[in-house]
Amino acid sequence: EPEVTQTPSHQVTQMGQEVILRCVPISNHLYFYWYRQILGQKVEFLVSFYNNEISEKSEIFDDQFSVERPDGSNFTLKIRSTKLEDSAMYFCASQRLAGGREQFFGPGTRLTVL
Amino acid sequence: QKEVEQNSGPLSVPEGAIASLNCTYSDRGSQSFFWYRQYSGKSPELIMFIYSNGDKEDGRFTAQLNKASQYVSLLIRDSQPSDSATYLCAVIKDFGNEKLTFGTGTRLTIIP
Repeated sequence: EPEVTQTPSHQVTQMGQEVILRCVPISNHLYFYWYRQILGQKVEFLVSFYNNEISEKSEIFDDQFSVERPDGSNFTLKIRSTKLEDSAMYFCASQRLAGGREQFFGPGTRLTVL
Repeated sequence: QKEVEQNSGPLSVPEGAIASLNCTYSDRGSQSFFWYRQYSGKSPELIMFIYSNGDKEDGRFTAQLNKASQYVSLLIRDSQPSDSATYLCAVIKDFGNEKLTFGTGTRLTIIP
């Protein structure tokens, strides 16, 4: 069964460093998302992406964040200058069609900022 | 008022019994509703989604939606120890703006 994959599973970085989190969505899906979950807290929406552009972004998704779909398969989240408070699980999700259809989540990347 | 509210639990249910999980949402125009299961340290795994008022059944799981009361629930029949997890309720407020808004989750423990 097709699934969303994410790399790396765990990333440790120093504050102020840039990180790139990678996702490979399910191949025939058209809508892509990044969510994050700080330990012990709820899952929060960061950004949605469709047709090679951002559809919507949350207040969390400030100028330090960017997303890209550099080729037909990868979907990346870049944090330019990491802060301690960026430590969280980052989940990529993909959705085949709009209309409130189901989103499938990848296994996540645990980001630890020291 | 929180956009999606769930009782954080923990909810303890004996093995073989019915577990009932509840969720309320604040935006009356919300369009679709999802239940995800999340094991500790893992990603959300979709169990069911529902659009229309009433019940939707899938195996041991039944989702119930009451839009007038802004209430959605998940019933798990014949609960198994492997059902022990945190259950996340999520909503999509409108089609075309498909971000999921999550509740904080209910932690469910099935007691053998």
